[in-house]
Amino acid sequence: NAGVTQTPKFQVLKTGQSMTLQCAQDMNHEYMSWYRQDPGMGLRLIHYSVGAGITDQGEVPNGYNVSRSTTEDFPLRLLSAAPSQTSVYFCASSSGLAGNEQFFGPGTRLTVL
Amino acid sequence: QKEVEQDPGPLSVPEGAIVSLNCTYSNSAFQYFMWYRQYSRKGPELLMYTYSSGNKEDGRFTAQVDKSSKYISLFIRDSQPSDSATYLCAVNDYKLSFGAGTTVTVRA
Repeated sequence: NAGVTQTPKFQVLKTGQSMTLQCAQDMNHEYMSWYRQDPGMGLRLIHYSVGAGITDQGEVPNGYNVSRSTTEDFPLRLLSAAPSQTSVYFCASSSGLAGNEQFFGPGTRLTVL
Repeated sequence: QKEVEQDPGPLSVPEGAIVSLNCTYSNSAFQYFMWYRQYSRKGPELLMYTYSSGNKEDGRFTAQVDKSSKYISLFIRDSQPSDSATYLCAVNDYKLSFGAGTTVTVRA
């Protein structure tokens, strides 16, 4: 099993550009989520999904879109990148919501100039 | 108010020392408490998991939950340089809420 994979590993964008961060898991997990990690602020939930076709907002959803067309994939779209979106982005998956271990991908380091 | 508060440190200790990490949380309804370990430039990995109150021990690691004071602790005994990492506490209902993380350096 590859677990949770994320692409790209690094990305530099200019303000106003759009892009999609890819996330895939091969563990047949229903629950997937996206976090951003900033110094001193821990991991903050952006969006999450409890299954194909079902998504919901987390703590910091503004400026991001998600969709879940398959169990395996959960892409995160930046609509119009801003310097405030410079961060490390982690995708995670788990077999359930409460009390289940979340498995994290290796992260995408994004810089917005 | 953040759901979980954690002192970001950093914390530097000599090899063999006991490392003590703490968090407080705001919602008394939380039942699941976790500690994740994150090495530099890697994703977090689950280290310890506790349901409700009490202690849980795994080798050199002990996790404690005191629901009466809404306090979570992680202790690392006989710390090793390989324990150098960022440790994040988390509480879980339908989603995970993380503390800011404490960066620990164990000096050889």
